[in-house]
Amino acid sequence: AQTVTQSQPEMSVQEAETVTLSCTYDTSESDYYLFWYKQPPSRQMILVIRQEAYKQQNATENRFSVNFQKAAKSFSLKISDSQLGDAAMYFCAYRVSGTYKYIFGTGTRLKVLA
Amino acid sequence: EPEVTQTPSHQVTQMGQEVILRCVPISNHLYFYWYRQILGQKVEFLVSFYNNEISEKSEIFDDQFSVERPDGSNFTLKIRSTKLEDSAMYFCASIGGAGGTDTQYFGPGTRLTVL
Repeated sequence: AQTVTQSQPEMSVQEAETVTLSCTYDTSESDYYLFWYKQPPSRQMILVIRQEAYKQQNATENRFSVNFQKAAKSFSLKISDSQLGDAAMYFCAYRVSGTYKYIFGTGTRLKVLA
Repeated sequence: EPEVTQTPSHQVTQMGQEVILRCVPISNHLYFYWYRQILGQKVEFLVSFYNNEISEKSEIFDDQFSVERPDGSNFTLKIRSTKLEDSAMYFCASIGGAGGTDTQYFGPGTRLTVL
């Protein structure tokens, strides 16, 4: 079965510091996509970053970057220079190429301390 | 920037009643989704829709649920006879082009409360 696991229910980081959120997944597929979504208190889901499994280079988006380890089935999110506005629930998600179904993890609540 | 919209933002209904949740996906998008998030839990896939038909659905999406794109712009989720456990946040999402490369844009959600 395809599963996504986020083992950290909650994380805290000081403003301006760096934090890494963990995500592992289980699949027998070779072609798939991975995503990190942010869900602030407003509850709207916002795409943070995406990674294609066939790409070896780790995706980056400004202060957000991933560490994609395909063999280990690990997809962690690094947030640099954390800001108060980064406080939210972060969901890791997975989709097999050619299918329509997305599988989400249980989320990590990130607190940013001033 | 284009966005997915959902109405209403909050729907309260009595158990056994029918509800229709509405979504307006981004206008040139082709793939549409409904997700459910019970308070404090993970986001769960319900159904995907493409070319006017369901492309995939989860075990949650039983005969009580249906989806429709009635007029080329709206995308609706109907729950025929609501149960207490249907209380959740319902998110609509859409994707633009070929599903293999594009990513989902989520709406703000509809909070459904079943009493």
